[in-house]
Amino acid sequence: NAGVTQTPKFQVLKTGQSMTLQCAQDMNHEYMSWYRQDPGMGLRLIHYSVGAGITDQGEVPNGYNVSRSTTEDFPLRLLSAAPSQTSVYFCASSYKGGTHTEAFFGQGTRLTVV
Amino acid sequence: AQKVTQAQTEISVVEKEDVTLDCVYETRDTTYYLFWYKQPPSGELVFLIRRNSFDEQNEISGRYSWNFQKSTSSFNFTITASQVVDSAVYFCALSDIYNAGNMLTFGGGTRLMVKP
Repeated sequence: NAGVTQTPKFQVLKTGQSMTLQCAQDMNHEYMSWYRQDPGMGLRLIHYSVGAGITDQGEVPNGYNVSRSTTEDFPLRLLSAAPSQTSVYFCASSYKGGTHTEAFFGQGTRLTVV
Repeated sequence: AQKVTQAQTEISVVEKEDVTLDCVYETRDTTYYLFWYKQPPSGELVFLIRRNSFDEQNEISGRYSWNFQKSTSSFNFTITASQVVDSAVYFCALSDIYNAGNMLTFGGGTRLMVKP
């Protein structure tokens, strides 16, 4: 089982560049979300989706865009990278309800903006 | 707004000691979910437990146990007879009942170091 797959695992960007972090899940989960992890701050929600075609902002959405055209994929776009976006990014997916509502996380993408 | 506080940023113990990781949360919701995740040095996030706010029964899984007290808004995690493999960052998280597992509010994490 692949679970949640994130690519790339590592990325270095120059300030002002744009890029897309890819996230795919093969568990047919309705919910998907993106978090960033910074030292001492835990994980903070960037954007989330409750189903294909439906996305919304989380706690720290500025500088990021998302779209959800399929159930499986939830890419995160950095429009114009800034050093403050240096972080580890995690994608997660979960079932909408029932007995297994825990989030499954990808392996993370370590992004450095110079 | 929801908030999760893990006041212990780092804990260091010697192998076989018992250790408790504290988690205190704030929410206006009357029903919600609480979670614990483990992040080993390799970096992935591993789900440990989910607790529904309806259920205040404590849970034990091997060397792990969880104490949920709604009256004090706490969901503490105890590792009995700690092992070096328990060394990791542990996160407590909270979500409302309708977005369980999706819109998680995380604490800052507690780094546990277990020395041989």
